[in-house]
Amino acid sequence: DAGVTQSPTHLIKTRGQQVTLRCSPKSGHDTVSWYQQALGQGPQFIFQYYEEEERQRGNFPDRFSGHQFPNYSSELNVNALLLGDSALYLCASSLNYRNEQFFGPGTRLTVL
Amino acid sequence: QKEVEQDPGPLSVPEGAIVSLNCTYSNSAFQYFMWYRQYSRKGPELLMYTYSSGNKEDGRFTAQVDKSSKYISLFIRDSQPSDSATYLCAHEGSGNTPLVFGKGTRLSVIA
Repeated sequence: DAGVTQSPTHLIKTRGQQVTLRCSPKSGHDTVSWYQQALGQGPQFIFQYYEEEERQRGNFPDRFSGHQFPNYSSELNVNALLLGDSALYLCASSLNYRNEQFFGPGTRLTVL
Repeated sequence: QKEVEQDPGPLSVPEGAIVSLNCTYSNSAFQYFMWYRQYSRKGPELLMYTYSSGNKEDGRFTAQVDKSSKYISLFIRDSQPSDSATYLCAHEGSGNTPLVFGKGTRLSVIA
């Protein structure tokens, strides 16, 4: 049973560019949440998708957007990248947006 | 006041020691609490998931929630070098946040 998978593993971008990160949830899960984890910090909630719609959103600007597909996989898009967007981006999946969330390995984004 | 306070450590203990990791939180209405383990440059791994007050045991790990003092703890018995990681506490969020995390405590178990 595959767990949560994310791609790519690492990514290097320059300021002003755009990036797309991808996530496949754990088998049987239908809800995907995205978190940003800066170095030395706990994960910060970005947004959550359920039934292909954004259900909840944390305190992140509109430069951060997402999408969920019919097969429950999800994308996170970040436009106009800033140096401060450098972080580990984590995807977590759950069933029916329950609190018991399972995380993927993350995508490490570096913005130069 | 930050929602979840957690001492970042680092905490260094000898192999076989009992480890106590702690967090405090601000809103007594929260019911669901979690502990995650995160190895360096990896995603968090769910260790313990508890509801309301009381203890939950799983092997060498015990999670404890004291809602009256808004205090959550994770105890690791017979600690092993493989337990060396960052431990994150979390609870359900209020408003629009599914999970709220502490900053994590970095633990090193020395053989």
